[in-house]
Amino acid sequence: AQSVTQPDIHITVSEGASLELRCNYSYGATPYLFWYVQSPGQGLQLLLKYFSGDTLVQGIKGFEAEFKRSQSSFNLRKPSVHWSDAAEYFCAGASNAGGTSYGKLTFGQGTILTVHP
Amino acid sequence: EAGVAQSPRYKIIEKRQSVAFWCNPISGHATLYWYQQILGQGPKLLIQFQNNGVVDDSQLPKDRFSAERLKGVDSTLKIQPAKLEDSAVYLCASSQDGSEQFFGPGTRLTVL
Repeated sequence: AQSVTQPDIHITVSEGASLELRCNYSYGATPYLFWYVQSPGQGLQLLLKYFSGDTLVQGIKGFEAEFKRSQSSFNLRKPSVHWSDAAEYFCAGASNAGGTSYGKLTFGQGTILTVHP
Repeated sequence: EAGVAQSPRYKIIEKRQSVAFWCNPISGHATLYWYQQILGQGPKLLIQFQNNGVVDDSQLPKDRFSAERLKGVDSTLKIQPAKLEDSAVYLCASSQDGSEQFFGPGTRLTVL
């Protein structure tokens, strides 16, 4: 069965520190992969996506993610965290449906990020 | 460009009552999705529409949940009767060409 796993439920970092959020996937073929951020009371906002090509993907708000096929991982990184980054982060996968279209999104459980001043 | 609109934002009902949620997707977006997000979990797809036809409703509890998308624009998701375990945030998303989904703010449902 297709699945996405985020091993860390809650991560706390200090403002200005680096950040890495982990994501592992299990799909028959290489899926399309996404990272979303959700602030309290808000909908999900897409940070970045990986379809194919360069395995290091740049996103909005200074985030990047690296696709590693050998480790079935798609970890999210940011070199210096800001207090406004405190939110919940979701990794998601989808099967290739042709071109840039994809099937239904399967989400991980989410990682809550707390930022200390 | 206006985003995905949802109403109401919050709803509190008692078990066995019925409730309906409304979604207005981004103009021109052919695909519309309803997700259920239970506290502490990631969103789970309930139903996907392409225009006014259903593409995937495999995870929709059809004995109590129903959804429609009349005229291929707005959509309504209904629960009748509600159970305690239906307490969740219901997210609507839309996509123009299947390459990116845009999410609304969600409706937080509490069933007492």
